Amino acid sequence: NAGVTQTPKFQVLKTGQSMTLQCAQDMNHEYMSWYRQDPGMGLRLIHYSVGAGITDQGEVPNGYNVSRSTTEDFPLRLLSAAPSQTSVYFCASTPGQTNTGELFFGEGSRLTVL
Amino acid sequence: KQEVTQIPAALSVPEGENLVLNCSFTDSAIYNLQWFRQDPGKGLTSLLLIQSSQREQTSGRLNASLDKSSGRSTLYIAASQPGDSATYLCATITGTYKYIFGTGTRLKVLA
Repeated sequence: NAGVTQTPKFQVLKTGQSMTLQCAQDMNHEYMSWYRQDPGMGLRLIHYSVGAGITDQGEVPNGYNVSRSTTEDFPLRLLSAAPSQTSVYFCASTPGQTNTGELFFGEGSRLTVL
Repeated sequence: KQEVTQIPAALSVPEGENLVLNCSFTDSAIYNLQWFRQDPGKGLTSLLLIQSSQREQTSGRLNASLDKSSGRSTLYIAASQPGDSATYLCATITGTYKYIFGTGTRLKVLA
């Protein structure tokens, strides 16, 4: 099993550009989520999904879009990148509600917006 | 609103020392609690998950305890090694898919 796979690992954007961070998991997990991690701020939830076709906002959703067309994939889209979106982004997943809730993380995507 | 605190923010110890990392939370109505390790530039790796009905979990040199009534979990690392140097985070699992993370303790084990 590959677990949770994120691409790209590094990306540099100019202000106003758009891009998509990819996240895929091969564990048939229902729940998938995106976090950003900034120094001194800890992990903050951006968006999450509890199944294909279902998404919801987290703590800091502005400037980001998500979709969940399959169980495996949960891409995060930046529509018009801003320097404030410079961060490390993590995708995480967990099995369904009856499980322990153990969260599994990807290796992260480091984004710099100039 | 659940708040999770990890003190100290940073810790340096000599190799071989046994040490305890602390995680405090304000709402005792948690389902489970999970401990993670994060190496610089890497993702979070799950170390231990303690279910609310358990008091402790062990994996190798790691032992995590949970006291819901006092809002506290500890991660005990025995015979620390330089390879244990990393940031350790805890997260409470409260309700369906609700995770609240601490900001972590940065551990450095000196050779």
